[in-house]
Amino acid sequence: AAGVIQSPRHLIKEKRETATLKCYPIPRHDTVYWYQQGPGQDPQFLISFYEKMQSDKGSIPDRFSAQQFSDYHSELNMSSLELGDSALYFCASSLPLMHGYTFGSGTRLTVV
Amino acid sequence: AQKVTQAQTEISVVEKEDVTLDCVYETRDTTYYLFWYKQPPSGELVFLIRRNSFDEQNEISGRYSWNFQKSTSSFNFTITASQVVDSAVYFCALSWQEYGNKLVFGAGTILRVKS
Repeated sequence: AAGVIQSPRHLIKEKRETATLKCYPIPRHDTVYWYQQGPGQDPQFLISFYEKMQSDKGSIPDRFSAQQFSDYHSELNMSSLELGDSALYFCASSLPLMHGYTFGSGTRLTVV
Repeated sequence: AQKVTQAQTEISVVEKEDVTLDCVYETRDTTYYLFWYKQPPSGELVFLIRRNSFDEQNEISGRYSWNFQKSTSSFNFTITASQVVDSAVYFCALSWQEYGNKLVFGAGTILRVKS
């Protein structure tokens, strides 16, 4: 069965650079979520999209932005990267009423 | 406020022992969803179970079982006859909105199973 696809799997950037993470949800899933997991931490919700519109927003820094495109894939853009942005970034997608809530394998971002 | 508490930071057991991971949640909503995820050292989040607030039936899946008790706001997870491959971080999570739900995670419990 198709899963949530995230790319790249690993990314190394320098401070003040920009990074773009991509997420391809499971076909027919109508909601996409982004989470950030720092070292030794639990995943923290960043932002979600329902049918290509932003549906909810968590503690996402102003330096970060995200969008969902017509083909339902989503991108998380991070600018002016800081060392503290080093984390695992997960994308998830779901059907209504939380059915089929599935996480991708994550993108490990390292800022040096 | 919506909150998930996993009071056990780390648990160590010897292979074949049974182990229970505790999860206590707080929510004022009557409709909510509870999840358990496993995160092995490789980092991915592996879905274990999803339970809605109207379904209090306990569930068993192989060596895994879950005890959902609304009266105590708990959703505990038991691994029977633990194996080394069960070593991972286990997260309990809560969601409470009908659409566009986000998950609120507990801090996680590190389970170490020794051979």
